[in-house]
Amino acid sequence: QKEVEQNSGPLSVPEGAIASLNCTYSDRGSQSFFWYRQYSGKSPELIMSIYSNGDKEDGRFTAQLNKASQYVSLLIRDSQPSDSATYLCAVNAPNNFNKFYFGSGTKLNVKP
Amino acid sequence: DVKVTQSSRYLVKRTGEKVFLECVQDMDHENMFWYRQDPGLGLRLIYFSYDVKMKEKGDIPEGYSVSREKKERFSLILESASTNQTSMYLCASSQLRGQGAYGYTFGSGTRLTVV
Repeated sequence: QKEVEQNSGPLSVPEGAIASLNCTYSDRGSQSFFWYRQYSGKSPELIMSIYSNGDKEDGRFTAQLNKASQYVSLLIRDSQPSDSATYLCAVNAPNNFNKFYFGSGTKLNVKP
Repeated sequence: DVKVTQSSRYLVKRTGEKVFLECVQDMDHENMFWYRQDPGLGLRLIYFSYDVKMKEKGDIPEGYSVSREKKERFSLILESASTNQTSMYLCASSQLRGQGAYGYTFGSGTRLTVV
């Protein structure tokens, strides 16, 4: 079992819709969770971090964490074509707060 | 903004060559990392370092070594390049934190082709 699992997609949503991206992780000891966005041919960029159960909102982005279910999600409201990218979920190694495992990413296509 | 600079965007090397990939960060971050990214396999950690002259193996260290002589610079070395090391190499840095880690800042990547 991989440490971090994501559906590879592609996930296609129309412009203006809510995109929902999901991630599960295997180790209950993980405490830090991040979402990165990676445009084709570019390196990942950090867009959201979450450490506590519940929701965290930043503009059009909402990260959701459920440690009991070992589940992290990212919601993108009012999706725009510029949101089309691969979204990577990252979870810290439980015995090492500064080391992360990455999912393979979910490709999001936002259609105009 | 934190900047992580990788010395080369594209490299083509021959099998058996010794290859050096350089990474420099300008924000005094303690942590530095080298990942490779391959389609379908995602990001895989090769080596990381928390301090000068300190290194730890990641998940796929075979065929690689690293050097960190200065805090801002972390070099990845392919001792004898092979075709299965053709990949995108990403350097990242972050601040050291006890709990609730900081996220990474990535460099722009080096696409290495070994022929």
